[in-house]
Amino acid sequence: EAQVTQNPRYLITVTGKKLTVTCSQNMNHEYMSWYRQDPGLGLRQIYYSMNVEATDKGDVPEGYKVSRKEKRNFPLILESPSPNQTSLYFCASSPRAPSGANVLTFGAGSRLTVL
Amino acid sequence: QKEVEQNSGPLSVPEGAIASLNCTYSDRVSQSFFWYRQYSGKSPELIMSIYSNGDKEDGRFTAQLNKASQYVSLLIRDSQPSDSATYLCAVTRNSGNTPLVFGKGTRLSVIA
Repeated sequence: EAQVTQNPRYLITVTGKKLTVTCSQNMNHEYMSWYRQDPGLGLRQIYYSMNVEATDKGDVPEGYKVSRKEKRNFPLILESPSPNQTSLYFCASSPRAPSGANVLTFGAGSRLTVL
Repeated sequence: QKEVEQNSGPLSVPEGAIASLNCTYSDRVSQSFFWYRQYSGKSPELIMSIYSNGDKEDGRFTAQLNKASQYVSLLIRDSQPSDSATYLCAVTRNSGNTPLVFGKGTRLSVIA
């Protein structure tokens, strides 16, 4: 089944404890992206990747890191999480940058709470 | 900053009625327009895309695009309680690495 898989789906952690949210897609998509979703603020892009070893900042990159060493994986790293990073996170991918027929497919989401 | 504006709602309609969801965008060179449906706590799922001015129909859903007015809408005919969700409008330029910009969504409630 074609899908985007995120892990963990739920996580409660404490301020400052490094964590990684993994994202993997099995559709050979070039484009991958991370979003966070907060009440009243909608979906905001954190980072995106046009292809392997090509990553770029989105609208809210502060406090996050990403890497794209393989085409299928795009992990989101929080080096020192803070409570304002408590959010619902979505990974998404598309064949190429979203446009026309290049439609984004979303993962199921990861709900992160930082105490 | 490119913006996509939606009325946050909630928009309440009775079962069987037509729900009309609206979206305006600021980037005049936008080329592709998408409507996603998101149930509470779930991920967005694509329901419609439209690229040319006019109407595009898919079952009970009709997307309408007016590039001159920078306006895109989604009509849901014969609304069902299962249509109750947040509807996200998303817009992109179709060029290089320009991002897909999402509106904040409109919450639709269909009352049985």
